[in-house]
Amino acid sequence: GAVVSQHPSRVICKSGTSVKIECRSLDFQATTMFWYRQFPKKSLMLMATSNEGSKATYEQGVEKDKFLINHASLTLSTLTVTSAHPEDSSFYICSARAYQDYGYTFGSGTRLTVV
Amino acid sequence: AQSVAQPEDQVNVAEGNPLTVKCTYSVSGNPYLFWYVQYPNRGLQFLLKYITGDNLVKGSYGFEAEFNKSQTSFHLKKPSALVSDSALYFCAVREGSGGYNKLIFGAGTRLAVHP
Repeated sequence: GAVVSQHPSRVICKSGTSVKIECRSLDFQATTMFWYRQFPKKSLMLMATSNEGSKATYEQGVEKDKFLINHASLTLSTLTVTSAHPEDSSFYICSARAYQDYGYTFGSGTRLTVV
Repeated sequence: AQSVAQPEDQVNVAEGNPLTVKCTYSVSGNPYLFWYVQYPNRGLQFLLKYITGDNLVKGSYGFEAEFNKSQTSFHLKKPSALVSDSALYFCAVREGSGGYNKLIFGAGTRLAVHP
């Protein structure tokens, strides 16, 4: 079945630094990838949708300059949290979808802690 | 706009008893509906989906869901609950009819199965 690998699973960084999270589709070509943020005991909040080779579409209220998304290939998308602050601490999850599939496959998530 | 509602924050079930996790939806057009399960600090695992066809959809780990158009519901069910089923369950609907459209998630229902 479709597998999405997300790394790192946990990261601790200092306030003001940047952190990159990778999302890879291992056995299929992901034409579209989605990035979500999940607060404790809450649902998933969609941050942005990215299509390979084009700019990401951000949801309302999500800062484009803070959460940089790159989808340079059909198997890799990255989310970079720039100048991270403690309020950016959260659980980030990516999801990938192949064009001819109705399914959405999720990564295992990244726990970001900014200290 | 598409939306899903999960009216219960938590469902408690005794092991061996049947379980139901409720979901209602609001869509324009044909609904594409999904159920996912999330274990602590993990991504989402796909359980089942309804695209078209039989109203009773069978999925992973013995789960099934019944699509009811008149009641706009898509409740998740399992005949006999296991303690290992304890997790957070999300109902989702795909927005729009395009190939890349995003998933809209419900608030989630925590299932607690007691020995």
